[in-house]
Amino acid sequence: EIVLTQSPATLSLSPGEGAAFSCRASQSVSDYLAWYQQIPGQAPRLLIYDTSNRATGVPARFSGSGSGTDFTLTISSLEPEDFAVYFCQQRANWPFTFGPGTKVHI
Amino acid sequence: QVQLQESGPGLVRPSQTLSLTCTVSGGYINSSDYYWTWIRQHPEKGLEWIGYIFYTGSTYYNPSLKSPSTISLDTSKNQFSLKLRSVTAADTAVYYCATLGGGYFQLWGQGTLVTVSS
Repeated sequence: EIVLTQSPATLSLSPGEGAAFSCRASQSVSDYLAWYQQIPGQAPRLLIYDTSNRATGVPARFSGSGSGTDFTLTISSLEPEDFAVYFCQQRANWPFTFGPGTKVHI
Repeated sequence: QVQLQESGPGLVRPSQTLSLTCTVSGGYINSSDYYWTWIRQHPEKGLEWIGYIFYTGSTYYNPSLKSPSTISLDTSKNQFSLKLRSVTAADTAVYYCATLGGGYFQLWGQGTLVTVSS
């Protein structure tokens, strides 16, 4: 199965700052990669699919890029509600797998 | 808007069967729009996809799971279920039901914590 690694594991930032974090795949997933946001105590929420497409209702400050094995989620200016854990997920190969997450905290 | 809600016991004894149900509202489980799926999240750890069922009854299970699992549909109740047999402490997790569409998990239930302990 494809293994996804994410870096950094944690990121300490302030509201208004920008954030960028990485997801790397053990083999190419083309552009079949998604990002999810999980606020503590809640279920994950789909943010970005197929590398760069925002899901319905996701603010424009979230953007995704990359291809093959290296991907980035960028948040242009952090809002208080953005402090959460972010997971990547690939759909290129079965079984679909998730990365371990990046925690963004104040 | 489709909504999902998990239900089931919060405590299961080792070697027993874990049984959970997901009730779907705002949509029909016999729709071809989604694959109905289960995902779990171990405490302080990442997410693991368990498998899915389609309205036709076709299923897929993650071969990485150690405990054998079965996902089934009950169209009369608009529900789908998960059974995980011969559980161990390693199966302690928050279990989510979710919709799978286009290869991604679009809608999620709120999750239910299941602890495996004697």
